[in-house]
Amino acid sequence: DTEVTQTPKHLVMGMTNKKSLKCEQHMGHRAMYWYKQKAKKPPELMFVYSYEKLSINESVPSRFSPECPNSSLLNLHLHALQPEDSALYLCASSPTLQGASTDTQYFGPGTRLTVL
Amino acid sequence: KQEVTQIPAALSVPEGENLVLNCSFTDSAIYNLQWFRQDPGKGLTSLLLIQSSQREQTSGRLNASLDKSSGRSTLYIAASQPGDSATYLCANVLENFNKFYFGSGTKLNVKP
Repeated sequence: DTEVTQTPKHLVMGMTNKKSLKCEQHMGHRAMYWYKQKAKKPPELMFVYSYEKLSINESVPSRFSPECPNSSLLNLHLHALQPEDSALYLCASSPTLQGASTDTQYFGPGTRLTVL
Repeated sequence: KQEVTQIPAALSVPEGENLVLNCSFTDSAIYNLQWFRQDPGKGLTSLLLIQSSQREQTSGRLNASLDKSSGRSTLYIAASQPGDSATYLCANVLENFNKFYFGSGTKLNVKP
């Protein structure tokens, strides 16, 4: 199983709502990533978890709150978002954070988020 | 800080043509370089990975080359097909740390 799954596929929320994005992988990977991608732009790294601990936080606003309940799951909790946060949110995983030169990241299909 | 540039930003070719996509990077101390494909509104699919000690990798109609000293990589697509239409992203990893530096992508359109 080389699949990373993300739910929901689409999410529309108001600025006062609280919602969560979910990501799951069953490849035994110990590093998991959240990216944000605006239209016609490359993915921007938000957070990296390694062995269920937050390793990288790329100065993301506190209205985004990641959580890694176990090695297979990664959540992104959303609260008081702004319309400019509308984007495609991608999850990825890799065997480890400091890995072999043959390692790649496996990406999920993304969640399309619209903030009204 | 690693900066990755992709040229051209967009490319439109008739079916059957061979084409080359270019990627350049500023820091040559890369661990590996990868080419990804992204369909509209979808996630990224890894196409080819070149380790820093390698010069090229091939998969089917795709061939990727790497010249670390000049900070360049190319993705060659032979006999292009409409199904190849997508955005192609190159990304590299510095040293032994799995943080990707992405280029801005080349949007390819192959016309039937």
